[in-house]
Amino acid sequence: GAVVSQHPSRVICKSGTSVKIECRSLDFQATTMFWYRQFPKKSLMLMATSNEGSKATYEQGVEKDKFLINHASLTLSTLTVTSAHPEDSSFYICSARGVRGEQYFGPGTRLTVT
Amino acid sequence: RKEVEQDPGPFNVPEGATVAFNCTYSNSASQSFFWYRQDCRKEPKLLMSVYSSGNEDGRFTAQLNRASQYISLLIRDSKLSDSATYLCVVGHQAGTALIFGKGTTLSVSS
Repeated sequence: GAVVSQHPSRVICKSGTSVKIECRSLDFQATTMFWYRQFPKKSLMLMATSNEGSKATYEQGVEKDKFLINHASLTLSTLTVTSAHPEDSSFYICSARGVRGEQYFGPGTRLTVT
Repeated sequence: RKEVEQDPGPFNVPEGATVAFNCTYSNSASQSFFWYRQDCRKEPKLLMSVYSSGNEDGRFTAQLNRASQYISLLIRDSKLSDSATYLCVVGHQAGTALIFGKGTTLSVSS
């Protein structure tokens, strides 16, 4: 399967600061990447669809000004959590779409906002 | 009605047991089907795609019934390492995100 990396794997930040998470497809070009969030013992929640060279499509209830997504190249998408608050603490996972419609996930970023 | 529904479990089985998971989906226009596995505090990993004719990968067998909008996963000869959450996943049109079920938790004990 395809390889997707994510950085950082874990981050602790203070309330009010911004955090950038990078998602890279290492062995293939991904025109579409997805960003998810998962709270403990809960299911994956799709936040947005990131398309290379165009604006991201956000799911209902996800603030686009708070969760900035940039997909500047075919191998890199970034998610910036702006003015983070404790309730933003979660497991953020990106994925890239394969040729058969499957998705390959990055290892995730565990964000803790203090 | 949720788009993808699964029995959350947990399923607690001994090593060597055969266990079956079921899943239903609501959108008859769904085009692609998968089972993913997620370990605690890790990302989901693709276990197998599901095809209309049914498919097998070692101890794992997946089946799809489009008429009933039903997907299944059978695990034979369960191993301790099979303990995880199994996610039923459905895709609609190309380019859109996959729809994930909430997962079924499996615990295999010795």
